[in-house]
Amino acid sequence: DAGVTQSPTHLIKTRGQQVTLRCSPKSGHDTVSWYQQALGQGPQFIFQYYEEEERQRGNFPDRFSGHQFPNYSSELNVNALLLGDSALYLCASSLWGSPLHFGNGTRLTVT
Amino acid sequence: QQQVKQSPQSLIVQKGGISIINCAYENTAFDYFPWYQQFPGKGPALLIAIRPDVSEKKEGRFTISFNKSAKQFSLHIMDSQPGDSATYFCAASTEAAGNKLTFGGGTRVLVKP
Repeated sequence: DAGVTQSPTHLIKTRGQQVTLRCSPKSGHDTVSWYQQALGQGPQFIFQYYEEEERQRGNFPDRFSGHQFPNYSSELNVNALLLGDSALYLCASSLWGSPLHFGNGTRLTVT
Repeated sequence: QQQVKQSPQSLIVQKGGISIINCAYENTAFDYFPWYQQFPGKGPALLIAIRPDVSEKKEGRFTISFNKSAKQFSLHIMDSQPGDSATYFCAASTEAAGNKLTFGGGTRVLVKP
């Protein structure tokens, strides 16, 4: 039974570019959440998708957007990248209200 | 605003010793308190969780103690092993917020053989 899978594992982008990160949830899960983890810090909630709609959002600018597809997979898009966007981006899946299962993340470096 | 404060930032413990990590929260609406373990290059994995209707929960060598009046909770790792060397995060959420977790800053634990 595959857990949460994220792609790519590593990514290097230049300031001002746009990036798309992908996530496939654990089998049977219908809710996907995205978190940003800066080096040496705890994860910070970006947003959560359920039934293809954004249900909750953390304190992140509109440059961060997402999407959930009918098969429950999800994308995180970040526009106009800043150096401060360099971080590990974690996807977590669950059934609504149940404990989160995290993927191993995408390491984004913005130069 | 950091709603969950975690301490210490790091600790070193001898094999067989007890590791203790503390967290304090501000939002009294929080009603779910999980602990996650993260190894380098991996995502966080759920260790153990507690709700405020109990003061203690034990699973194997891991115990959560919860003090609702003090708005504090802690993780005790008994008989610490080198394989327990990892970063530990406390977190909190409200039932209304579903899976929206607020994490502490993390504690890097090193267990020396």
